[in-house]
Amino acid sequence: GEDVEQSLFLSVREGDSSVINCTYTDSSSTYLYWYKQEPGAGLQLLTYIFSNMDMKQDQRLTVLLNKKDKHLSLRIADTQTGDSAIYFCAESLPGNTPLVFGKGTRLSVIA
Amino acid sequence: DTAVSQTPKYLVTQMGNDKSIKCEQNLGHDTMYWYKQDSKKFLKIMFSYNNKELIINETVPNRFSPKSPDKAHLNLHINSLELGDSAVYFCASSLQQPGNTIYFGEGSWLTVV
Repeated sequence: GEDVEQSLFLSVREGDSSVINCTYTDSSSTYLYWYKQEPGAGLQLLTYIFSNMDMKQDQRLTVLLNKKDKHLSLRIADTQTGDSAIYFCAESLPGNTPLVFGKGTRLSVIA
Repeated sequence: DTAVSQTPKYLVTQMGNDKSIKCEQNLGHDTMYWYKQDSKKFLKIMFSYNNKELIINETVPNRFSPKSPDKAHLNLHINSLELGDSAVYFCASSLQQPGNTIYFGEGSWLTVV
């Protein structure tokens, strides 16, 4: 079955790196995504990675994918207070199916 | 310009009322969705429409009825509102293709009192 798991909370100090982890169960995932939800706002696509890649870097964001372990991580370098938000991991499965979302990780950045 | 827009953003209403949330996208996408985010921030798909046709209908009470007058619009009508319907409802859209990146609206905060 489809299942995407993430830890619910993460707290880091400003300037440190944040690593948000996600595991999924369906090995047929085609794409994996990270979405960000700021307080009182909608979901914003941060980045995504194709399932045959193992790393993608975009400025302060680094996505690592370990397909064997079905593990996805999002690393945010030099975390800022503006990075405080809920981060959702999501997977896209083949065929006409909706994204499967994790429950979200609430990142708190301490100044 | 807002890519996916939904109205109203906030809605407070009494139990038993009927209400609608409207959604429009100007991205030229052919697939639109409604997601429900509950008080614990969990996101669940409710409906998905492709080219105005219903393609996904998850286990949702039949008090919820989506309507898609055209590809750019997907409205959500809710009859006989209950306290448990209080949530944030997100409209979204995408192209129907592998790796369907989904773009979300800002959400509609529904509170049933």
